Amino acid sequence: DAMVIQNPRYQVTQFGKPVTLSCSQTLNHNVMYWYQQKSSQAPKLLFHYYDKDFNNEADTPDNFQSRRPNTSFCFLDIRSPGLGDAAMYLCATSRQGTEQYFGPGTRLTVT
Amino acid sequence: GEDVEQSLFLSVREGDSSVINCTYTDSSSTYLYWYKQEPGAGLQLLTYIFSNMDMKQDQRLTVLLNKKDKHLSLRIADTQTGDSAIYFCAEGSGGQNFVFGPGTRLSVLP
Repeated sequence: DAMVIQNPRYQVTQFGKPVTLSCSQTLNHNVMYWYQQKSSQAPKLLFHYYDKDFNNEADTPDNFQSRRPNTSFCFLDIRSPGLGDAAMYLCATSRQGTEQYFGPGTRLTVT
Repeated sequence: GEDVEQSLFLSVREGDSSVINCTYTDSSSTYLYWYKQEPGAGLQLLTYIFSNMDMKQDQRLTVLLNKKDKHLSLRIADTQTGDSAIYFCAEGSGGQNFVFGPGTRLSVLP
């Protein structure tokens, strides 16, 4: 089945220790998104790739970076996680900005 | 900037209809979406409506759009306990970014 896959589903990292979350898709969509979602809140867009073009939201901290080596994969790098970065991280894809399809999310815990 | 608003909570009895409401501000919205999120899971696309439509029905789901009032609703017929979740309204204007509402937590009582 075509889908959006996120690994790992649960990630524990230490304060200040870099961490990478991964997302892959079999939908062949050209747009990929990373969202941060804290408890009982709406997803907050961090950045997105339109093909290879990277688009950062103005209020996304520099601590968050992303890589998209090919159409299928996209990575979220958190260079120095703080306690405030503990959240659910959601990857989504879309074709040309139409409906977005979400992965199951990675829940990040920072100790 | 664009804004999407929803009431935060809704409780209904099993078997009743649920109506979740949403208002948005961007008059250039092209698509309006409803997503469902169960605890610990990602967002599941339920349905969407193009801005030139005023109604869309899909099995138990009915979406109504009042473009003049910028009001969107999602009606779930014969609500079941499995429908308990958070429902997010989102609008997109054909670009890459969506604007999500805060979500409505639907509780279905037996």
